[in-house]
Amino acid sequence: QVQLLESGPGLVTPSQTLSLTCTVSGGSITSGGYYWSWIRQHPGKGLEWIGYIFHSGSTYYNPSLRSRVTISVDTSKNQFSLNLSSVTAADTAVYYCARDFIADDAFDIWGPGATVTVSS
Amino acid sequence: QSALTQPPSVSGSPGQSVTISCTGTSSDIGSYNRVSWYQQPPGTAPKLIIYEVSNRPSGVPDRFSGSKSGNTASLTISGLQAEDEADYYCSSYTTSSTWVFGGGTKLTVL
Repeated sequence: QVQLLESGPGLVTPSQTLSLTCTVSGGSITSGGYYWSWIRQHPGKGLEWIGYIFHSGSTYYNPSLRSRVTISVDTSKNQFSLNLSSVTAADTAVYYCARDFIADDAFDIWGPGATVTVSS
Repeated sequence: QSALTQPPSVSGSPGQSVTISCTGTSSDIGSYNRVSWYQQPPGTAPKLIIYEVSNRPSGVPDRFSGSKSGNTASLTISGLQAEDEADYYCSSYTTSSTWVFGGGTKLTVL
């Protein structure tokens, strides 16, 4: 079955860019009917949707983060990536990649999460 | 887009039923049946347990059920088991074409 796995640096310096990649295995990212999303969870807090990408490359972002977020896709590697610029300590969180089934707008598959700490 | 409102905690004894509420607005829960619920045991990723208000993915016990009335959705867990102890989050699609989550509810099985 489809599995997701996040990868990237666990420590990012303030004002720099946070970069994470989600590798999709067990299925193709070009399968129709799905959005591929990034969601984060601040320590001890709830979940926050960051944005999604379709395999065609079309994206949509949370308005609160839109000015700093870029999500891209590499279909040849079956991966999609998150770039979050100008990070501060407030961006310290566990970052999840997740698959959204468009027909019901539910996140049916999640990666295990990547902990990212913003600190000098 | 403000987060959906959930009670911080609920508790129940094994075998009992508990209900977790999730209150939104006419811009999210009130506009769509695109409400989902997620179970998150400590240190793990969220797991989808309810989608489209009341549907259960394959493998989720029928002890978990969902409903919606107006701007409020609810998750009911009947026949509580120790393994149900976890954080639970609701989510809704919104009229802004985004997703919003609740703040989470910690379920304690006494």
